[in-house]
Amino acid sequence: QVQVVESGGGVVQPGKSLRLSCVASGFSFDGTAMHWVRQAPGKGLEWVAAVSYDGSSKYYGDSVKGRFTISRDNSKNTLFLEMNSLTTADTAVYYCARVTATTGYWGQGTVVAVSS
Amino acid sequence: EIVLTQSPGTLSVSPGDRATLSCRASQTINTFYLAWYQQKPGQAPRLLIYGASSRATGIPDRFSGSGSGTDFTLTISRLEPEDVAVYYCQRYGSSLTFGGGTKVEIK
Repeated sequence: QVQVVESGGGVVQPGKSLRLSCVASGFSFDGTAMHWVRQAPGKGLEWVAAVSYDGSSKYYGDSVKGRFTISRDNSKNTLFLEMNSLTTADTAVYYCARVTATTGYWGQGTVVAVSS
Repeated sequence: EIVLTQSPGTLSVSPGDRATLSCRASQTINTFYLAWYQQKPGQAPRLLIYGASSRATGIPDRFSGSGSGTDFTLTISRLEPEDVAVYYCQRYGSSLTFGGGTKVEIK
């Protein structure tokens, strides 16, 4: 069965960095694009970033472009999100998701809280 | 950039009644790429509908999707108490676009 499990969240000060990880299982990880989506407290879903199946193409939302970097290690079925220059606006639950035109599998999310 | 606008923001429906949720796109969307998700408090989003009208695995048949072009609809034919949630429409592509959500509550 498809499973994605995020980790790496926590409390971090403004201006600092954090690296999120997502381990996937139950599907051909190296055959599909992967996404990060976040949800600020009490708000809707915001797409953050995506990476192609082989890591050659990367896409970012405007609010994180230049600060966040998405990457993947297909040998370890793992997706990453490197987050730099964090601000309070980045406080959210971060979801790792395998989303295609016909499927949608999301992890339970990892909480990132940016606070001084 | 495509913008998805959902309405209403909140929908109050009596148990057993029909709930109709709207998602309007700022430009034409291929129906193949339009999906609906359900999110209950404290949970991750769950895929309900893909391809605008196909139910995902395990989704009860009281949930149905329709529409094309710029106007899409999610219908819950007979609302159950467990359907209380926020519902999002989503456009799939190299990026993902989400509507602002419709909160469904029991009247």
